[in-house]
Amino acid sequence: DSGVTQTPKHLITATGQRVTLRCSPRSGDLSVYWYQQSLDQGLQFLIQYYNGEERAKGNILERFSAQQFPDLHSELNLSSLELGDSALYFCASSVGGTGVVYEQYFGPGTRLTVT
Amino acid sequence: GQNIDQPTEMTATEGAIVQINCTYQTSGFNGLFWYQQHAGEAPTFLSYNVLDGLEEKGRFSSFLSRSKGYSYLLLKELQMKDSASYLCAVRDQGVTGGGNKLTFGTGTQLKVEL
Repeated sequence: DSGVTQTPKHLITATGQRVTLRCSPRSGDLSVYWYQQSLDQGLQFLIQYYNGEERAKGNILERFSAQQFPDLHSELNLSSLELGDSALYFCASSVGGTGVVYEQYFGPGTRLTVT
Repeated sequence: GQNIDQPTEMTATEGAIVQINCTYQTSGFNGLFWYQQHAGEAPTFLSYNVLDGLEEKGRFSSFLSRSKGYSYLLLKELQMKDSASYLCAVRDQGVTGGGNKLTFGTGTQLKVEL
C-alpha cells in the first residue's frame, strides 16, 4: 500500500458523458501527478500539481482538466468522453516536485470504461 | 521530446540473472527511473540513476550511461514473483515551472519460469 488513495476503483460510463476521478496523496506529499495507461499507449504523463499550482503538463487533451485543492487532494475531470478514453488512470504523489527529483508513489488506479 | 525503447518481452528461469535494457533519445535529460508493475496494479519504484554508473539495491541493480543514452536493470536470484512489467522512465530537463515530467517506455514484460 503506497498511501495514495484513488476513488472510484472502477467507473463505467457512456460516450459524451463527464466523470471526475479523485486522488488523495500520501500524508506530507505536496505534489500530485496524473497518468493514463492504455494497452496501446503505455503509461502517459498527463499533468502535475505542486501545492495547488500546475507545474508540468504532458499531452493532456483539452477535454481533460485537473486541479489540486487546499487540502492537497486532486481531481481529474474528463468530459465529452470517447471510447478511446477507456484506460487505467493513475495518480501518484511525491514529497516535493520542483527542481530536486523525488520518487513518485502510485495509487491503485481508476479503471474507466467508456461504452 | 523523449523516445524510449525497451524489449517487449523476456523470459528467464527462477534463480537466474536477467538484464533488461533501455535506450533513450532525449532533447534534455535529468534522471532515469525503473518501476515494476504487476498486471492490473500500480507501478512501484525500483531505482533512480542520474549519474553514470551502477546503483545496487538488494537483488536489483541499475546502470546508466548518459553518453550512450543507455540503461539496464539487473535482477539477480530471480523469483516467480518477479514476473511483471518493468518500466523505464526518463525525467525531462528544464520543465517550465521546475516540475517533474516523466516519460515512460512501453515496458518489458518479464516471465520467470521454473
